[in-house]
Amino acid sequence: GQNIDQPTEMTATEGAIVQINCTYQTSGFNGLFWYQQHAGEAPTFLSYNVLDGLEEKGRFSSFLSRSKGYSYLLLKELQMKDSASYLCAVMRGDYKLSFGAGTTVTVRA
Amino acid sequence: GAVVSQHPSRVICKSGTSVKIECRSLDFQATTMFWYRQFPKKSLMLMATSNEGSKATYEQGVEKDKFLINHASLTLSTLTVTSAHPEDSSFYICSARGLSGSGVSEEQFFGPGTRLTVL
Repeated sequence: GQNIDQPTEMTATEGAIVQINCTYQTSGFNGLFWYQQHAGEAPTFLSYNVLDGLEEKGRFSSFLSRSKGYSYLLLKELQMKDSASYLCAVMRGDYKLSFGAGTTVTVRA
Repeated sequence: GAVVSQHPSRVICKSGTSVKIECRSLDFQATTMFWYRQFPKKSLMLMATSNEGSKATYEQGVEKDKFLINHASLTLSTLTVTSAHPEDSSFYICSARGLSGSGVSEEQFFGPGTRLTVL
């Protein structure tokens, strides 16, 4: 089966940095996605990693280590609007996505 | 980026009726569309994969006779929840994967979701 683990909740202060970890065990691997989802809305794409290393895109960065089955999403200079659920999703060998349960990030003033 | 629409955004129906949800890719051709459902504070669970012009493939535990999927064109897939019951109440989200200039794109573009409430 597919197993994707990420923390349930994280809280941080406005302007701070938060790192959301994701570990996975899946049947095949064709890349890892991070999505942001606000309550009652569809997920929006944040990042895609298929090779090891760090991908930086503005305030958000994502890291992947395929040998360790590990990724993290780094959110810098947190803003109140970053309060949302962050979903780690692995594209399996059959090119279908398996999602983690999501990490709810709360940004406090 | 690519845009995917869903209609309706919200629907309330009586138990026993059927509900059809449409998913459209507005500015690209979607070779494959996916249907997910999401319960409150839970993650997305893949229900089925639909490929244009062929039968949908369903994930384990999903009743294909209850959740009918039709992918009649490269821009439209429909999910029909037949004989809906209160336990079918959920947030249904579709996504589309299309053709990029270099071949099949791995990225999925998500629709805004449909909130189904069965009374």
